Amino acid sequence: SQTIHQWPATLVQPVGSPLSLECTVEGTSNPNLYWYRQAAGRGLQLLFYSIGIDQISSEVPQNLSASRPQDRQFILSSKKLLLSDSGFYLCAWSVLARPATQYFGPGTRLLVL
Amino acid sequence: AQSVTQLDSHVSVSEGTPVLLRCNYSSSYSPSLFWYVQHPNKGLQLLLKYTSAATLVKGINGFEAEFKKSETSFHLTKPSAHMSDAAEYFCVVSDTNAGKSTFGDGTTLTVKP
Repeated sequence: SQTIHQWPATLVQPVGSPLSLECTVEGTSNPNLYWYRQAAGRGLQLLFYSIGIDQISSEVPQNLSASRPQDRQFILSSKKLLLSDSGFYLCAWSVLARPATQYFGPGTRLLVL
Repeated sequence: AQSVTQLDSHVSVSEGTPVLLRCNYSSSYSPSLFWYVQHPNKGLQLLLKYTSAATLVKGINGFEAEFKKSETSFHLTKPSAHMSDAAEYFCVVSDTNAGKSTFGDGTTLTVKP
């Protein structure tokens, strides 16, 4: 069966510090991968999605970047965090099929102070 | 283009009474539709999905949703609410094989004893 991992579970970082959040998927090959951000009391905003290694699309201009160095690894990064980067970050995967059901990781709670 | 509107940001019911969470969508193509549930500080869990087969879809934990093309709706129902149903619920539409999805803003379900 497939599983998706995210770490760390929670993170408190000062403004201006770098960020690296990691997501890995097990039990499937060549998944589509996604990064979402969920601000407090709001819905999900798609940040990045990837259909393959080094193939990443950015949905919104922002202070963040994403990389996919391996087939089942997806990394969210920032060189300098802003206060507005605080939120709940969710990684998800899907296969290229219809319907494209997405399966979510447990999330990372990021607080920028 | 696709969009989804969850008509109620908050729904409150008493334990043992029916639940109705409303969702309308728009899509240029035959959509795939999903309902997810999110408990506090957790990832999203798939409740059910519509795949252009039966219009009445049964999901986990006693939830159902009915696809009504004429009304462009995909409302989520449950005959009898349980305290453990208290959570955030998201309606999602996807009309591309690439798996890009649009999330509603969510409905918070409160269940009173």
